[in-house]
Amino acid sequence: EAEVAQSPRYKITEKSQAVAFWCDPISGHATLYWYRQILGQGPELLVQFQDESVVDDSQLPKDRFSAERLKGVDSTLKIQPAELGDSAMYLCASSLGRGRGTEAFFGQGTRLTVV
Amino acid sequence: AQKITQTQPGMFVQEKEAVTLDCTYDTSDQSYGLFWYKQPSSGEMIFLIYQGSYDEQNATEGRYSLNFQKARKSANLVISASQLGDSAMYFCAMSIQGAQKLVFGQGTRLTINP
Repeated sequence: EAEVAQSPRYKITEKSQAVAFWCDPISGHATLYWYRQILGQGPELLVQFQDESVVDDSQLPKDRFSAERLKGVDSTLKIQPAELGDSAMYLCASSLGRGRGTEAFFGQGTRLTVV
Repeated sequence: AQKITQTQPGMFVQEKEAVTLDCTYDTSDQSYGLFWYKQPSSGEMIFLIYQGSYDEQNATEGRYSLNFQKARKSANLVISASQLGDSAMYFCAMSIQGAQKLVFGQGTRLTINP
């Protein structure tokens, strides 16, 4: 069964260091999402891609976060420098991106701890 | 702007009982979709059920059904015959057609007691 792949599953980094997460969506899915989920809360959208283009990054802290999806397939989310408040689960999801009922399928997430 | 409200932080239910998880939404758009996801302690988000704003029938998927009341802007999830494995966080989410932006509520932690 096709699934969204994310790596790493867990990451511990020191404050002020750079960290990167990778996501490979389900083949053929045009829409890719990066969400941040703080423990006990709902996921918050950081960035949404349609193919290689960013369609929504209004909640992305652009002074330290960046995201790219160069060939419209896999994607990388980077944080530089990391801060203690960035500790969270980072979830990647993908969907067909068109039509009705196009639910998003999620990867297993990357749990980031900043120390 | 889209907003999802889940007013039940936690629910405790006896095994085999039915349970209803509440969700209300706010949008000025006429075309939208409503979703429910389950998140076990392992962290992955599992899609459960979808309801389109123009769908006249309430959606059902096995033991899951969505009680859609458009005038009240509510989309409650009903789980029939609950099982121990249903213990998890449950999130209601909404997307606006065209934008495909998926907005989540704060979630409800469901605990099924044996």
